Amino acid sequence: EPEVTQTPSHQVTQMGQEVILRCVPISNHLYFYWYRQILGQKVEFLVSFYNNEISEKSEIFDDQFSVERPDGSNFTLKIRSTKLEDSAMYFCASRPSPLSYEQYFGPGTRLTVT
Amino acid sequence: GQQVMQIPQYQHVQEGEDFTTYCNSSTTLSNIQWYKQRPGGHPVFLIQLVKSGEVKKQKRLTFQFGEAKKNSSLHITATQTTDVGTYFCAGRDNNDMRFGAGTRLTVKP
Repeated sequence: EPEVTQTPSHQVTQMGQEVILRCVPISNHLYFYWYRQILGQKVEFLVSFYNNEISEKSEIFDDQFSVERPDGSNFTLKIRSTKLEDSAMYFCASRPSPLSYEQYFGPGTRLTVT
Repeated sequence: GQQVMQIPQYQHVQEGEDFTTYCNSSTTLSNIQWYKQRPGGHPVFLIQLVKSGEVKKQKRLTFQFGEAKKNSSLHITATQTTDVGTYFCAGRDNNDMRFGAGTRLTVKP
């Protein structure tokens, strides 16, 4: 069964450094999402991406965040200058079509900012 | 902005007992989704509700969307140990999709 994959599974970085979290959505899916979940807390929506552009973003998704779909398979989240409070699990998700509501989540990347 | 409140935060039940989690929004929702997250795992989509008063069932799980489209519930009949996890609702209004804080369910065999 097709799955969303994410790399790396765990990323440790120093405050102020840039990180890129990578996701490979399910092939043929059209909608892509990033979420974050601070340890023990709720899932928070960051951004959605469709047709090679951001379709929605939350107030969390400020100028230090950016997303890209550099090729036909990868979907990346870049954090330009990480802060301690960016430490969280970051989930990528994809959805096949406008008619299907189900989002398929990847296993997540645990980001630790020291 | 939109707030989605979910209660209870924790629920511990004996296997075979029923379980219900409730989700309330400060604004009218266009739809609501429910997810399950096992400990250490990622959210898994369960269902989406769109219509006012809608009720959907998946085996032992019953999902309801309130008439005013501001609240929703998930009811599990006769819980099993495999039901363990955190159940999140995620509501969408015109602008935002927001998750509730989740209800962590533990089941004692």
